[in-house]
Amino acid sequence: QSALTQPPSASGSPGQSVTISCTGTSSDVGGYNYVSWYQQHPGKAPKLMIYEITKRPSGVPDRFSGSKSGNTASLTVSGLQAEDEADYYCSSYAGSNNLVFGGGTKLTVL
Amino acid sequence: EVQLVESGGGLVQPGTSLRLSCAASGFTFEDYAMHWVRQAPGKGLEWVSGISWNSGYIGYADSVKGRFTISRDNAKNSLYLQMNSLRAEDTAFYYCAKARGYSVSDAPDYWGQGTLVTVSS
Repeated sequence: QSALTQPPSASGSPGQSVTISCTGTSSDVGGYNYVSWYQQHPGKAPKLMIYEITKRPSGVPDRFSGSKSGNTASLTVSGLQAEDEADYYCSSYAGSNNLVFGGGTKLTVL
Repeated sequence: EVQLVESGGGLVQPGTSLRLSCAASGFTFEDYAMHWVRQAPGKGLEWVSGISWNSGYIGYADSVKGRFTISRDNAKNSLYLQMNSLRAEDTAFYYCAKARGYSVSDAPDYWGQGTLVTVSS
């Protein structure tokens, strides 16, 4: 059960797009279509932004999108807004009733 | 409105035990899997344990396996985490989270506000 690998930081200017990667193995990200992404603002509980690789819960702007290729999943935030500045975490089902999270990426809107 | 309220956190000494509870409302509790996720202060999220809708499937992180036990009482709309042999590295905010579906493979979609567990002598 090793944590998924995310870049510690990412940044972009308002209106730009930024992509955050999440790398695992064939035992987690690559083996299942159960990759999720969470947004967490300081002092707040995480919020689900993407589930099952590409699906958005009701209320999440379509500026947020997800994808997967092999053992790497990605979250793309288009049309960056100031309120998108937060920590982002990926997670994946890892088999045998286990989940695993990534180390988190701090997104800065310049 | 989905509400998850954790309780039972506090300051405990290494080697002792603590039981966390999570009171759920605003959804049909017995239809959904549940998870515990923790976050050490200033650190990232770590999945701790998950339980299916009927308690038939349970999983634990390697870091807590053999020490922590997850359980649920569908009649009381409650989730629990029994934590034994606590260590300093278990210090964290513990979040209760509802899964999107009935299986442990379903991602958490709603989270409580967390309860802080501090393990220190």
